[in-house]
Amino acid sequence: EAGVVQSPRYKIIEKKQPVAFWCNPISGHNTLYWYRQNLGQGPELLIRYENEEAVDDSQLPKDRFSAERLKGVDSTLKIQPAELGDSAVYLCASSTPRSGAGELFFGEGSRLTVL
Amino acid sequence: GENVEQHPSTLSVQEGDSAVIKCTYSDSASNYFPWYKQELGKRPQLIIDIRSNVGEKKDQRIAVTLNKTAKHFSLHITETQPEDSAVYFCAANSGAGSYQLTFGKGTKLSVIP
Repeated sequence: EAGVVQSPRYKIIEKKQPVAFWCNPISGHNTLYWYRQNLGQGPELLIRYENEEAVDDSQLPKDRFSAERLKGVDSTLKIQPAELGDSAVYLCASSTPRSGAGELFFGEGSRLTVL
Repeated sequence: GENVEQHPSTLSVQEGDSAVIKCTYSDSASNYFPWYKQELGKRPQLIIDIRSNVGEKKDQRIAVTLNKTAKHFSLHITETQPEDSAVYFCAANSGAGSYQLTFGKGTKLSVIP
């Protein structure tokens, strides 16, 4: 079965420019997550979707970050405008509905460099 | 919210020796504790997890122990091999049944041949 697919794998932009990341979760996984991983750190949750509904976005910097998951499948994460501190790897993950928490399946990530 | 502390940040062991990584968590309601392995430039992948209704779980050379009273859990890797070299992350969910995971900062394990 195909894993979580993300694109682009790498993106270099200048500050104040916009950027968007795309994620296609594993088929049948209705829970989708966006995490940010700074260099030398663990992943930090930005937003979680149950189908098309954002059920946890408390850590998403809403002044410049936005996300959507149309039709409850693919998702995009956008940053506008990007700042130097946004340089990080943006990881998408998905999971199946289970009683309580369960395994997250991560994509390869999108590495963002803001110059 | 949940706070997860992980130690050590780096660990070097000789091939064949054991490696132990320790984590503590703050939310007594947490009930799910996974461990992820991330090789350089790759995605994090689950290697083992434990729920609060058990104290220990083993899978071949990997084991995890959980002490709910002390709020800490540990990863044990025996007979280490060079391919075990990676960054390991512990995590805990934010409250019973929560889907939100808080990750530790990671431990870079180097297995020296």
